[in-house]
Amino acid sequence: QVQLVESGGGLVKPGGSLRLSCAASGFTFSDYYMSWIRQAPGKGLEWVSYISSSGSTIYYADSVKGRFTISRDNAKNSLYLQMNSLRAEDTAVYYCARVLERVYNDYWGQGTLVTVSS
Amino acid sequence: SYVLTQPPSVSVAPGKTARITCGGNNIGSKSVHWYQQKPGQAPVLVIYYDSDRPSGIPERFSGSNSGNTATLTISRVEAGDEADYYCQVWDSSSDPLVFGGGTKLTVL
Repeated sequence: QVQLVESGGGLVKPGGSLRLSCAASGFTFSDYYMSWIRQAPGKGLEWVSYISSSGSTIYYADSVKGRFTISRDNAKNSLYLQMNSLRAEDTAVYYCARVLERVYNDYWGQGTLVTVSS
Repeated sequence: SYVLTQPPSVSVAPGKTARITCGGNNIGSKSVHWYQQKPGQAPVLVIYYDSDRPSGIPERFSGSNSGNTATLTISRVEAGDEADYYCQVWDSSSDPLVFGGGTKLTVL
């Protein structure tokens, strides 16, 4: 069965960096687009970034552009999110999700909490 | 960027029908997808391409989309349906994946 397991979250000071990982199993990872979506405490879902199956096409939300970098290693069935220059407003649970037909997310991980605070 | 508008909350009695709307400019020309999120859990896809249900989602969940409004309909509502519901579209002109603000469904 499809499994997505995020890791790498934690407490970081403003201006700091963090790298999130998402380990995928139960499907052919290299066939699918993947995305990162976040949810601030008590708030709604916010799309963060999106990467094509080969990694050649990448999109970012304006709120993270220039600070976050999405990448993937198809040999390791893993998705990553490098987050730099973190701000308090980046505090959220970060979910990785499989993207189907480029337009919707059919499976989600359980999320990893990132807290940016001094 | 494309904006999706959902009511913050909807309340319904058990056994009745709940309708959750998602408004957007000419949303009927786009495909709408719906997610259910229960407290402390990850979102779950309940409707894709306006009205298709993934395997395992009860037939009580249905969707429609026309004009400026998409609707998620939950028939014979159960206590276990209490959750936040989010609509989502893919928009080629702005952020690829756009979410609505979410609607909290309360079962009275």
